[in-house]
Amino acid sequence: AQSVTQPDIHITVSEGASLELRCNYSYGATPYLFWYVQSPGQGLQLLLKYFSGDTLVQGIKGFEAEFKRSQSSFNLRKPSVHWSDAAEYFCAVSTGTASKLTFGTGTRLQVTL
Amino acid sequence: GAVVSQHPSWVICKSGTSVKIECRSLDFQATTMFWYRQFPKQSLMLMATSNEGSKATYEQGVEKDKFLINHASLTLSTLTVTSAHPEDSSFYICSASQGDAGTEAFFGQGTRLTVV
Repeated sequence: AQSVTQPDIHITVSEGASLELRCNYSYGATPYLFWYVQSPGQGLQLLLKYFSGDTLVQGIKGFEAEFKRSQSSFNLRKPSVHWSDAAEYFCAVSTGTASKLTFGTGTRLQVTL
Repeated sequence: GAVVSQHPSWVICKSGTSVKIECRSLDFQATTMFWYRQFPKQSLMLMATSNEGSKATYEQGVEKDKFLINHASLTLSTLTVTSAHPEDSSFYICSASQGDAGTEAFFGQGTRLTVV
């Protein structure tokens, strides 16, 4: 069965600093890959997704992610974090169909001013 | 973009009563819908997959008699939590897909259920 690992439970960065959130997956083939953000008490917002093609994916809010097949990773990056980016971030994968997702445990991002 | 509406956004019910949560795809036909559950400060766990017109497929460990799922039309799926107890308190989120391979699912805004 596929699995998703987000090694960092909690990350704190200063506003304006760069950010990288890690995501590793376990699956034999290339899965569909997603990053979602969730603010407290809210639903999920899709930041970006990778289905095929260019391994560097641009998303909303200035986020990007890079798919590295050799490392089974799909890390999320942002060059300059804003205080409003503080939230919970989930990496998710899907195989076969892009719609049934397995989520990672999430990384809580705290931004200090 | 595709819109999925979930209702209600939050609900408080008494222990022993049943609660129904609706998930609607507003601008597309959803042949497949998914129901997830999220405990506080935890990740989302898939509960079940429902296909229009057929019985839902439940994940291991999810009580099908406790969590009744109906997907009677291409735009509506419902989750009924029967005889709710405080341990059923959680955040429930649905997603809907057109069902084609390579097509992503779109999420509703979630329902916060509190059982008192």
